[in-house]
Amino acid sequence: AQKITQTQPGMFVQEKEAVTLDCTYDTSDPSYGLFWYKQPSSGEMIFLIYQGSYDQQNATEGRYSLNFQKARKSANLVISASQLGDSAMYFCAMSTGGSYIPTFGRGTSLIVHP
Amino acid sequence: GAVVSQHPSWVICKSGTSVKIECRSLDFQATTMFWYRQFPKKSLMLMATSNEGSKATYEQGVEKDKFLINHASLTLSTLTVTSAHPEDSSFYICSARQVAGGTRNEQFFGPGTRLTVL
Repeated sequence: AQKITQTQPGMFVQEKEAVTLDCTYDTSDPSYGLFWYKQPSSGEMIFLIYQGSYDQQNATEGRYSLNFQKARKSANLVISASQLGDSAMYFCAMSTGGSYIPTFGRGTSLIVHP
Repeated sequence: GAVVSQHPSWVICKSGTSVKIECRSLDFQATTMFWYRQFPKKSLMLMATSNEGSKATYEQGVEKDKFLINHASLTLSTLTVTSAHPEDSSFYICSARQVAGGTRNEQFFGPGTRLTVL
């Protein structure tokens, strides 16, 4: 069975500073993908970044980067230069080679304050 | 990026009535769509996997007769909440998986539908 764990229910960060949102995962499938989604108060799930289990380099997408540590089974999201609009729920998710249906973590609520 | 729409975005209905929610992939074909339910401040709970041209696969604990899913075309899946009751009030989100090119198994989410049953 696959499992995603997000241990931070809430995080606060000051505008323009960087923040790391934690995510650990567990799967026995050697082929898997890790995703991060942002869900603002409007409810829409917005895809942020993807990391494949065989990718050699950490994924980056603009201000978002994924700190992928395979041995530790962690896939933390790093948001650089936080903006007020980054305030939202953030979900880590994983799909495996055997099943493309993603498993979601409980989410982390991020609040960016001026 | 691929766009998925949902209609309606919110609905209020009386207890005992049925409500249909549509999920459309606007610029790509989706053989598989997913329906999730989300309670306030909680994670997404997968309800069922909707496959074009075949029956939906429901997750354990989800009543198939209560939540009817139809995936009649490669761009449309519908979720009908039958005989809705207040406990069915929730945020329902659909997602779609691209047929081709989706080597990342990426899902594209709709904006969600907020259902309130009085």
